[in-house]
Amino acid sequence: AQTVTQSQPEMSVQEAETVTLSCTYDTSESDYYLFWYKQPPSRQMILVIRQEAYKQQNATENRFSVNFQKAAKSFSLKISDSQLGDAAMYFCATSGGAGSYQLTFGKGTKLSVIP
Amino acid sequence: DGGITQSPKYLFRKEGQNVTLSCEQNLNHDAMYWYRQDPGQGLRLIYYSQIVNDFQKGDIAEGYSVSREKKESFPLTVTSAQKNPTAFYLCASRLGTGSVPIYNEQFFGPGTRLTVL
Repeated sequence: AQTVTQSQPEMSVQEAETVTLSCTYDTSESDYYLFWYKQPPSRQMILVIRQEAYKQQNATENRFSVNFQKAAKSFSLKISDSQLGDAAMYFCATSGGAGSYQLTFGKGTKLSVIP
Repeated sequence: DGGITQSPKYLFRKEGQNVTLSCEQNLNHDAMYWYRQDPGQGLRLIYYSQIVNDFQKGDIAEGYSVSREKKESFPLTVTSAQKNPTAFYLCASRLGTGSVPIYNEQFFGPGTRLTVL
């Protein structure tokens, strides 16, 4: 069984500043993936960034980057130069196994961006 | 444009009625999923299907049923046995089975908001 924990129900950041969202996970899989999804008020789930567990290098997508600590089972998301459009719910998720590849989600962090 | 469509966007149901939520994808993806989202909760898996005419229960399958007669379609029926069906329902699809990264990404539809009156 896999579990994902997001310990920050809400966070806020000033526009143009940097914010880090925390995520820890537990899995018995040896081969797995980690994701951050964004859910804006429209409720459309949008993939922000993906990390393959077998890769030591942290993934980066423009202003979004992760800090992946495999031994600590930690997968935090850093948003640089925050923009008003970054305001949303952010969900951390893990997928693994040669079976369903189903996603296990955390409960989310609501990010507010202050102008 | 390729994507996932869900209909209707809003659905109202009277207690005791069955309702069916539609999910269609034209991405040629093999696997499809149904998730339920409640306030303050992450998404929880209801059912998934990795191939036509086959599907498996997820973590909260009780009170729900699905079918997968066509690759592009994966409808979800919320039955009267589901005691608390008011929620936001999301359908997703994934390219296929395999361990390469692209096969693990799930793409989501816009969702259906179900309210029991």
